[in-house]
Amino acid sequence: QQQVKQSPQSLIVQKGGISIINCAYENTAFDYFPWYQQFPGKGPALLIAIRPDVSEKKEGRFTISFNKSAKQFSLHIMDSQPGDSATYFCAASYSGSRLTFGEGTQLTVNP
Amino acid sequence: DTGVSQNPRHKITKRGQNVTFRCDPISEHNRLYWYRQTLGQGPEFLTYFQNEAQLEKSRLLSDRFSAERPKGSFSTLEIQRTEQGDSAMYLCASSLEGLLSTDTQYFGPGTRLTVL
Repeated sequence: QQQVKQSPQSLIVQKGGISIINCAYENTAFDYFPWYQQFPGKGPALLIAIRPDVSEKKEGRFTISFNKSAKQFSLHIMDSQPGDSATYFCAASYSGSRLTFGEGTQLTVNP
Repeated sequence: DTGVSQNPRHKITKRGQNVTFRCDPISEHNRLYWYRQTLGQGPEFLTYFQNEAQLEKSRLLSDRFSAERPKGSFSTLEIQRTEQGDSAMYLCASSLEGLLSTDTQYFGPGTRLTVL
């Protein structure tokens, strides 16, 4: 019940395209769903986060869509740029406790 | 610098040796977390503190691992009798728990451990 499943494992998009990464969770106690971006040799950096009382949150080119009934959430990166090439992790937690991470998606944006 | 800092950034050790890592959280953050990340995987939770109290430990944290946060500020993670399977990136994160809490965990750059 603690797992968070993420797909796809890798994703290649063209510059200007839309990147979509999906996650699914089981534990209905989760109340916080962040997305992190990680470059090689660096720590994860928070991109955007959502709580289950809203269905969508947008910050710049990044949007989270949240479906509470399906226990799924996704990250959309609009107008993808080569600088977005990184590994993206979804995660979930409850009451500010441990983060449970997905397996990660390696995104490559071709120029 | 207002971010989470970790030292050392890299550590190479021989099997059987003890190692200690340090994490300095964002000032005023009362929660501090340790995670371990192996190549190609997401970070896995090890333990976390609220102030100086260790609130939760993962079953991944064997008896060779110990973490402390003696004054509720910086934290240390010690691994005794290192094994090759301990080779990983050890990540520290901090957050603010309380009325102004956002549950956001901010990560440091990590300490890369290589056990030969």
